[in-house]
Amino acid sequence: GQNIDQPTEMTATEGAIVQINCTYQTSGFNGLFWYQQHAGEAPTFLSYNVLDGLEEKGRFSSFLSRSKGYSYLLLKELQMKDSASYLCAVMDSNYQLIWGAGTKLIIKP
Amino acid sequence: GAVVSQHPSWVICKSGTSVKIECRSLDFQATTMFWYRQFPKQSLMLMATSNEGSKATYEQGVEKDKFLINHASLTLSTLTVTSAHPEDSSFYICSARLSRGQETQYFGPGTRLLVL
Repeated sequence: GQNIDQPTEMTATEGAIVQINCTYQTSGFNGLFWYQQHAGEAPTFLSYNVLDGLEEKGRFSSFLSRSKGYSYLLLKELQMKDSASYLCAVMDSNYQLIWGAGTKLIIKP
Repeated sequence: GAVVSQHPSWVICKSGTSVKIECRSLDFQATTMFWYRQFPKQSLMLMATSNEGSKATYEQGVEKDKFLINHASLTLSTLTVTSAHPEDSSFYICSARLSRGQETQYFGPGTRLLVL
């Protein structure tokens, strides 16, 4: 079966760095997405990785290793507004998005 | 760019009534739109995929006669929850994708449905 695993919840301190991991097993691979979802709101697109390596976008970076079925989202200089759920999703061979359950990130002052 | 709107944002209705939710891509043509449902503290659950001009593909366990999807144009898809019941209360979110070559899905703001 298809499976996306990410931690349920993480806590970090304002100004610090946090890494949210995602491992996946899917039938085929057409890219991995990270979305941010604030409580009560729809997800917003953060990043898309289809090749191995690190993609940096401001305070957020996303890494992919296809051979290991592994990705992480790195958030630097954490701000209180970064408190949200972070969803990892993999596009399979049928171009369907397989969603992880999301990681709730709590930022403490 | 890539803005998706949904209307209405909030619906409260009586049990047994039908509710229609609209999803529009405002600044691009979406060949494919997706409808998701999300219950509190749970992840997104894909309900159906709709391609413009053709019938929607429903996920297993989603009743196609209860959740009617129409994708009549490249910028508009509608989801109608027919004879809604309290257990249909949820957060319904649509997303749109430009084409197969553009894999990113852009989400609408969601519609919160409460069935009394």
